[in-house]
Amino acid sequence: AQKITQTQPGMFVQEKEAVTLDCTYDTSDQSYGLFWYKQPSSGEMIFLIYQGSYDEQNATEGRYSLNFQKARKSANLVISASQLGDSAMYFCAMREGGQAGTALIFGKGTTLSVSS
Amino acid sequence: NAGVTQTPKFQVLKTGQSMTLQCAQDMNHEYMSWYRQDPGMGLRLIHYSVGAGITDQGEVPNGYNVSRSTTEDFPLRLLSAAPSQTSVYFCASSYSIVGINTIYFGEGSWLTVV
Repeated sequence: AQKITQTQPGMFVQEKEAVTLDCTYDTSDQSYGLFWYKQPSSGEMIFLIYQGSYDEQNATEGRYSLNFQKARKSANLVISASQLGDSAMYFCAMREGGQAGTALIFGKGTTLSVSS
Repeated sequence: NAGVTQTPKFQVLKTGQSMTLQCAQDMNHEYMSWYRQDPGMGLRLIHYSVGAGITDQGEVPNGYNVSRSTTEDFPLRLLSAAPSQTSVYFCASSYSIVGINTIYFGEGSWLTVV
């Protein structure tokens, strides 16, 4: 069974609109972390936002916020006021057991296309 | 990218050849990992290391070897390349400090096995 599920292969949004990218996860660990990365067409992985399983508040980083619903095991990324430069692939990832390290489980990604 | 260097950036191999993908970081990070990215599959963990001399397998380790003789370097070896190993490879590193969640990725190495 997939541990990270991103059900939206592609999303389309117009500039200045908000968009939500879905992510659900599966883990039996009590301590875990959730990450969102952006991968533009140039290929690099750009860190966007992190949410720890014990964090009581939803994480926010500028135009990015993470809608963390622990009971539903979901960690949706919300991008407010989309920009053309937001067009990219977006990956949700999880780090299980412990609170440090580079061993992540990635979802298959969602391609976001922003039009003017 | 902040200090994770991967070489080479592009490589074409023939089936059966061996090669090493190099990864180096200058941030004194203890944790390092290798991933591969295939179309429609996202990134999958190959091997990871929590410090010099310590490595472990990830989700897709078959056909790959790693070693970690120094903190700075984490090379990935393909022993006998197969077309199924055609992929983009990413190296990542981070501190081992709880609460520091920034994971640095290299720019990727595009490998084609013919």
